Amino acid sequence: QKEVEQDPGPLSVPEGAIVSLNCTYSNSAFQYFMWYRQYSRKGPELLMYTYSSGNKEDGRFTAQVDKSSKYISLFIRDSQPSDSATYLCAMSLYQGAQKLVFGQGTRLTINP
Amino acid sequence: SAVISQKPSRDICQRGTSLTIQCQVDSQVTMMFWYRQQPGQSLTLIATANQGSEATYESGFVIDKFPISRPNLTFSTLTVSNMSPEDSSIYLCSVTQGGNEKLFFGSGTQLSVL
Repeated sequence: QKEVEQDPGPLSVPEGAIVSLNCTYSNSAFQYFMWYRQYSRKGPELLMYTYSSGNKEDGRFTAQVDKSSKYISLFIRDSQPSDSATYLCAMSLYQGAQKLVFGQGTRLTINP
Repeated sequence: SAVISQKPSRDICQRGTSLTIQCQVDSQVTMMFWYRQQPGQSLTLIATANQGSEATYESGFVIDKFPISRPNLTFSTLTVSNMSPEDSSIYLCSVTQGGNEKLFFGSGTQLSVL
């Protein structure tokens, strides 16, 4: 079993829809949770960074962590075609960026 | 955040040859890492590039196959040695800054081995 499971998709939704992206994990010691966005032929860029359980909002993006269920989510409101990308979840035991464990990534397409 | 430049952006190589990938950062950074992103797979950490000393390799990766240099705080190289088609992948340089909490990536090198 992988430490971090993420449905690779592809996921296709109409413009304006609310998108829900999810990851599950097996190691209950993970404390730091991240979401990265990766456009084609580009490196991943950090979208959200959260610590422990709870919600964090940044514009149209909300990251949610449920440590009791070992489940994290990223919600995108009012989705735009420019949101079309691969979204990677990542998590770590440590505060630093070392030893990140990544999910496989979910390929998302927003259709105009 | 730091601007990270990787060269080459892509290359097609023959089996048995070696390729060196360069990573240049526009400011001094604390830590530099090399990741591999194979098709349909998770990003996997190859090694931490240590300034002035040998790199720290993750399980499954060895120095003979992936020698790494980091002569200063802004530059690192990763060599993929004696390549086989299984080495076809995207190789990504990444760095941390400040409090080391967040990881930033270069654009990657798309390597195809024939």
